[in-house]
Amino acid sequence: DVKVTQSSRYLVKRTGEKVFLECVQDMDHENMFWYRQDPGLGLRLIYFSYDVKMKEKGDIPEGYSVSREKKERFSLILESASTNQTSMYLCASSLASRPQHFGDGTRLSIL
Amino acid sequence: QKEVEQNSGPLSVPEGAIASLNCTYSDRGSQSFFWYRQYSGKSPELIMFIYSNGDKEDGRFTAQLNKASQYVSLLIRDSQPSDSATYLCAVNKRGSTLGRLYFGRGTQLTVWP
Repeated sequence: DVKVTQSSRYLVKRTGEKVFLECVQDMDHENMFWYRQDPGLGLRLIYFSYDVKMKEKGDIPEGYSVSREKKERFSLILESASTNQTSMYLCASSLASRPQHFGDGTRLSIL
Repeated sequence: QKEVEQNSGPLSVPEGAIASLNCTYSDRGSQSFFWYRQYSGKSPELIMFIYSNGDKEDGRFTAQLNKASQYVSLLIRDSQPSDSATYLCAVNKRGSTLGRLYFGRGTQLTVWP
């Protein structure tokens, strides 16, 4: 079974802090994704990566950056956290055009 | 026009009934179609995927794809209260980077005993 692990289930940070969310997958998938999910807005793609050091903007990249130095790890960075970034963050991975598999999610609160 | 549209519901059915969830998509070149189930407070989990026109069955679940009409549906037979969740439809898009999916906002299903 595919295992996608997100480093934290719950995280509380302060406005202006630099926040790192980590995601690790154990199935050698080349694709990794970061989404945020808000009530009524569904899943929105922030960034994704299709190979080490390769990234592509999703639909809502503003205020975020990503890093993929190793194939199994994909990090989402909030450069200067703001309250409107309070959300559920979901990481996913996939092989080519196969289904995406999700981690358990990180519920991030920015105070 | 959104890439993927779903009726947000809520859809409410009695236990034992058939629940029918529908999804339409905008790109005629889409090739891959997925259904995810998401319980409240949890992450999405894959239920089924379908690539070819027609029906695909897995236990109580049937995915139906009609590319000419650009819709994909999920039927849940003998619905159980444990099926109560939000169901997300996801579709790829011709010309998008391989692996990227477009998700609908989901249909909330409630199965009452």
